[in-house]
Amino acid sequence: AQTVTQSQPEMSVQEAETVTLSCTYDTSESDYYLFWYKQPPSRQMILVIRQEAYKQQNATENRFSVNFQKAAKSFSLKISDSQLGDAAMYFCAGPRKTSYDKVIFGPGTSLSVIP
Amino acid sequence: EAQVTQNPRYLITVTGKKLTVTCSQNMNHEYMSWYRQDPGLGLRQIYYSMNVEVTDKGDVPEGYKVSRKEKRNFPLILESPSPNQTSLYFCASSDTGPFGGYTFGSGTRLTVV
Repeated sequence: AQTVTQSQPEMSVQEAETVTLSCTYDTSESDYYLFWYKQPPSRQMILVIRQEAYKQQNATENRFSVNFQKAAKSFSLKISDSQLGDAAMYFCAGPRKTSYDKVIFGPGTSLSVIP
Repeated sequence: EAQVTQNPRYLITVTGKKLTVTCSQNMNHEYMSWYRQDPGLGLRQIYYSMNVEVTDKGDVPEGYKVSRKEKRNFPLILESPSPNQTSLYFCASSDTGPFGGYTFGSGTRLTVV
């Protein structure tokens, strides 16, 4: 059973605005890692951001940041000052329910950026 | 340039005709993996390898084979392809396993008719 859920199959954002993509997961592990990957139309998969569960501080990479809520098992991605090049499929990846060292990917969210 | 090289980029084949998708990485990574991507299902792991001569099944291994004779290469073999193996395939590598984050190849779009 899928343990990483992305409830928004499609989203859109106006250029220069901020958008948040949602991700929830299910695990019984206490230490694990979470990821957001970007897949632009070129289909190349690119690691956007990585979060270690035992770190309280939310990870940030330039305009990309996460809101990690460990108790709620939520891991959302915030994209600030959206650019046309941000248009892509975004995949959340997280731990399996009973295995911290294996990752499972969510179904993806397709993000469109409106000029 | 550090990269994962995957070939071919596109492949159309007929049912039952054996094929191999090659994957090579130049980063000296120990961990390599194959995924297939299907709409609405995300990426699902087919096989992975933690080191030379060490391979293990992922979530959807049926109909696939792999080998890891050298650290840099991890080919995916479809002995008798079927239409349900039509998909987008990715090879990925990591120096510390999946929790370190992957470097992906550019993908292979496979169509089995």
